[in-house]
Amino acid sequence: RKEVEQDPGPFNVPEGATVAFNCTYSNSASQSFFWYRQDCRKEPKLLMSVYSSGNEDGRFTAQLNRASQYISLLIRDSKLSDSATYLCVVKRENYGQNFVFGPGTRLSVLP
Amino acid sequence: NAGVTQTPKFQVLKTGQSMTLQCAQDMNHNSMYWYRQDPGMGLRLIYYSASEGTTDKGEVPNGYNVSRLNKREFSLRLESAAPSQTSVYFCASSVERGLILYEQYFGPGTRLTVT
Repeated sequence: RKEVEQDPGPFNVPEGATVAFNCTYSNSASQSFFWYRQDCRKEPKLLMSVYSSGNEDGRFTAQLNRASQYISLLIRDSKLSDSATYLCVVKRENYGQNFVFGPGTRLSVLP
Repeated sequence: NAGVTQTPKFQVLKTGQSMTLQCAQDMNHNSMYWYRQDPGMGLRLIYYSASEGTTDKGEVPNGYNVSRLNKREFSLRLESAAPSQTSVYFCASSVERGLILYEQYFGPGTRLTVT
């Protein structure tokens, strides 16, 4: 089993739709979680850190369920500019600064 | 403030050739990383450096060496390139915000093809 797994995608949704991405992780000791966005042929960029209580940033909401070792990202009112690959990232604890990236889920928002 | 810079942006090597990928950051971050990204695999950590003068192996270190020249610079060397090293290489640096949260900032990447 991979350490971080994500919905395989791709997701094709119309503008204005709500879309949710799921991510599971295998290391129950993990404490820090992130969502990154990667545009085609570009570098990953931090979208959100995921806090234990869940957090919201505009149209984006991240949730963490430690019991199920599950992280989600919800995008409301999708825009064309949201088209990208979304990467779930988990930091390994007791491994220094070692981050584990999921394979990513590609989103295409269609006009 | 340029963030994380990488050179070169593109490179084609023949099998057995060597080269060094350069990375520099101007954000005064202690930690720096080298990743490779292959289709369907996600980013995989090659090496990282928690501070100047220290380096540690990541998930896929074989065939690579690194050097943390100073706080700003972290280079990745391929001593004898192989076709399996064809990939996109990203350098990153990270910062602490609070006790347990970290953010990583990435360079634009180097697209390497080994023939």
